[in-house]
Amino acid sequence: GAGVSQTPSNKVTEKGKYVELRCDPISGHTALYWYRQSLGQGPEFLIYFQGTGAADDSGLPNDRFFAVRPEGSVSTLKIQRTERGDSAVYLCASSREGRTEAFFGQGTRLTVV
Amino acid sequence: RKEVEQDPGPFNVPEGATVAFNCTYSNSASQSFFWYRQDCRKEPKLLMSVYSSGNEDGRFTAQLNRASQYISLLIRDSKLSDSATYLCVVSLTDKLIFGTGTRLQVFP
Repeated sequence: GAGVSQTPSNKVTEKGKYVELRCDPISGHTALYWYRQSLGQGPEFLIYFQGTGAADDSGLPNDRFFAVRPEGSVSTLKIQRTERGDSAVYLCASSREGRTEAFFGQGTRLTVV
Repeated sequence: RKEVEQDPGPFNVPEGATVAFNCTYSNSASQSFFWYRQDCRKEPKLLMSVYSSGNEDGRFTAQLNRASQYISLLIRDSKLSDSATYLCVVSLTDKLIFGTGTRLQVFP
């Protein structure tokens, strides 16, 4: 398909474990965003990539969270030592460039037990 | 203070009604403005961009007041299928900042 693809769609992990969430953006989109959404809340900004570099990572809550986009396409969000409070839907979006329409993937629902 | 503030609702309206949502943003340097729609357990999707001159797309009208840092969305002739959460979004240095969303429920 031509949309943003996120895997896995669901992830259940134990507290303290490490997880990786993958995002495959729309081909040709240089901007890639990660958001986190909790129930009843709007998406919360985590990090924004323009090409390979993180243009803005001010939303990452602490140093347990890290994201990479080594070739300017696929991105991986990595969470170390997961905590129950990390449970949320993690959304990835891409756009042709910043400030234009962003297309979202269906998200990864992360549950930390 | 939140960067983007919206009334969470819910707004419960009958089919055919006109309903308006408001949103305020705190940073006067915000550059672009959007309304996104999010259905239950789905991803957000762009509904429309918002321009200073105001813009209309069918039954939907969006307005921006930069002086008051205020954005609105008007939905005329509400349909059952309009039931969703409407997210106000502003762009600041290429970063999209979302409000909490306003939930709309249209009933028959």
